[in-house]
Amino acid sequence: DTGVSQDPRHKITKRGQNVTFRCDPISEHNRLYWYRQTLGQGPEFLTYFQNEAQLEKSRLLSDRFSAERPKGSFSTLEIQRTEQGDSAMYLCASSLAGAGEAFFGQGTRLTVV
Amino acid sequence: AQKVTQAQTEISVVEKEDVTLDCVYETRDTTYYLFWYKQPPSGELVFLIRRNSFDEQNEISGRYSWNFQKSTSSFNFTITASQVVDSAVYFCAETGANNLFFGTGTRLTVIP
Repeated sequence: DTGVSQDPRHKITKRGQNVTFRCDPISEHNRLYWYRQTLGQGPEFLTYFQNEAQLEKSRLLSDRFSAERPKGSFSTLEIQRTEQGDSAMYLCASSLAGAGEAFFGQGTRLTVV
Repeated sequence: AQKVTQAQTEISVVEKEDVTLDCVYETRDTTYYLFWYKQPPSGELVFLIRRNSFDEQNEISGRYSWNFQKSTSSFNFTITASQVVDSAVYFCAETGANNLFFGTGTRLTVIP
């Protein structure tokens, strides 16, 4: 296992289109996090899963955003009706619950034009 | 509520100087973990260290050291004899029973 992988690495989409990102965590990790990061800012929490259960979702997260982790392994993050303000780096991380450190993927850079 | 404050937005030092990055946290959890991550210009977040709330021993790893003070809710990070390769954005983070919450980061520039 080489770490957390995210796909695609880059996505350019037109405003109003839907996009879906995938994250494959480190295989034995039961926690999976999604973050968004814009230039000059820290990672902003979006949501996290423990196994297949979505335990927390940021109140800042629009209803256009949805995430799933159907079998407790990989996860998808979908953004519907994208807006220019959605342009950001979307980061996925995984960890063992309770043990701490989260390992990050390289991110998916979304550009909405 | 969780909150991590990194009051220093940007720091510049001359190579070989020591530098300390400050981190203050708030949490309601009695058991929690604190972290430092490095984000170099390449963009990937790199894990540096984890401390749990029951272990206040300071830790040293090469040129890096961490000072955890539970009484002041601080977890500061010192780089000794800084090098140009230390230039990056450094994030402090905290997790307990809930999500992993990050501070806004400190951009460190080491000038040769």
